Amino acid sequence: EDKVVQSPLSLVVHEGDTVTLNCSYEVTNFRSLLWYKQEKKAPTFLFMLTSSGIEKKSGRLSSILDKKELFSILNITATQTGDSAIYLCAVYSAGKSTFGDGTTLTVKP
Amino acid sequence: DTAVSQTPKYLVTQMGNDKSIKCEQNLGHDTMYWYKQDSKKFLKIMFSYNNKELIINETVPNRFSPKSPDKAHLNLHINSLELGDSAVYFCASSQLTSSTDTQYFGPGTRLTVL
Repeated sequence: EDKVVQSPLSLVVHEGDTVTLNCSYEVTNFRSLLWYKQEKKAPTFLFMLTSSGIEKKSGRLSSILDKKELFSILNITATQTGDSAIYLCAVYSAGKSTFGDGTTLTVKP
Repeated sequence: DTAVSQTPKYLVTQMGNDKSIKCEQNLGHDTMYWYKQDSKKFLKIMFSYNNKELIINETVPNRFSPKSPDKAHLNLHINSLELGDSAVYFCASSQLTSSTDTQYFGPGTRLTVL
């Protein structure tokens, strides 16, 4: 059975802090790993990772994949209150997707 | 124009009823999905469907059935609703033949079973 585990489950930081969110997986026929951000409504896409060691970057967010050790991290630098959300990791294998339980990030002013 | 739309946004109904949630995507995608997000915010996939294959998460009760009248629509029909069915249901779509697996989500339907 495919498995995706995110840690920590929740995290509270102050504005300006840097956070690292973790996602480890065990799937057969790995195709890609995606990160999503969910605020009050539906998830929105952040990154898609298919190759090891190549960092994807968007503003203060960045992510990298390690296909040998089967994990990915999502970094957020200089956090802002608007970064407060649930961050979801999903792994796509042949014909299906498996989501982790998410990390709830709260950024305090 | 909304890429993935769902109706209704909110649905309140009694136990035992049968209800449907509709989903439409105008992205020309070949695959659509239904997810359930419970009160603890855990997102679980229920179905993925394209014109070739329906993949069902084996933990989904057979009271739930997806119905696809055409490639742009995947409706979710639920029979004999139970209290535990209360959740937010998200529809999503993607193009499996593209280089990206990005799924685009609808706004969600909040189902409350009384």
